[in-house]
Amino acid sequence: DGGITQSPKYLFRKEGQNVTLSCEQNLNHDAMYWYRQDPGQGLRLIYYSQIVNDFQKGDIAEGYSVSREKKESFPLTVTSAQKNPTAFYLCASSIAGGDAGDEQFFGPGTRLTVL
Amino acid sequence: GESVGLHLPTLSVQEGDNSIINCAYSNSASDYFIWYKQESGKGPQFIIDIRSNMDKRQGQRVTVLLNKTVKHLSLQIAATQPGDSAVYFCAEGGGYNKLIFGAGTRLAVHP
Repeated sequence: DGGITQSPKYLFRKEGQNVTLSCEQNLNHDAMYWYRQDPGQGLRLIYYSQIVNDFQKGDIAEGYSVSREKKESFPLTVTSAQKNPTAFYLCASSIAGGDAGDEQFFGPGTRLTVL
Repeated sequence: GESVGLHLPTLSVQEGDNSIINCAYSNSASDYFIWYKQESGKGPQFIIDIRSNMDKRQGQRVTVLLNKTVKHLSLQIAATQPGDSAVYFCAEGGGYNKLIFGAGTRLAVHP
């Protein structure tokens, strides 16, 4: 059963703590993405990776970090430097990271709440 | 997430009616467009896509229309059902598979 999994579904963090969100895909996709979703706004790109061991900053990368050591995994760390981390985080993947034109498949999301 | 539908424009329709959801995109150079459906608390699901060399594409109960002259995209849902209630948003291909997403429209289907 192929797809993208994100864990946990809900995550609570105290201010000043770093937290890592998991994203795994077994679709054999080269490209993976992290988005942030806030009420009333479109998805905003945090980081993306077109291939293993490579990743690029998206539009709102400040306060976040990623790694892409394995093709199937793209974890996102929300650091204490992120001033407004409470949001719904979505991970996605697509077949290739080349020219636009590949559907992105999304995971179920992780809701992060900073207490 | 659960609150993604807040503060969004809402389209209310009766069950069985046709729905039309509109989207204005920003980049005249975009050549790929997608419509996604997002139910409360879930990730977005692909509905239909269209490339810029087409004006219309049909799927099962859904049709996407692309007007490049005015940079407008629409999603038509035929015979809308309660299960169609969700937030719908369009995305345009921004190069190197980066997608630019609209804020979305909430579709509410009433019996």
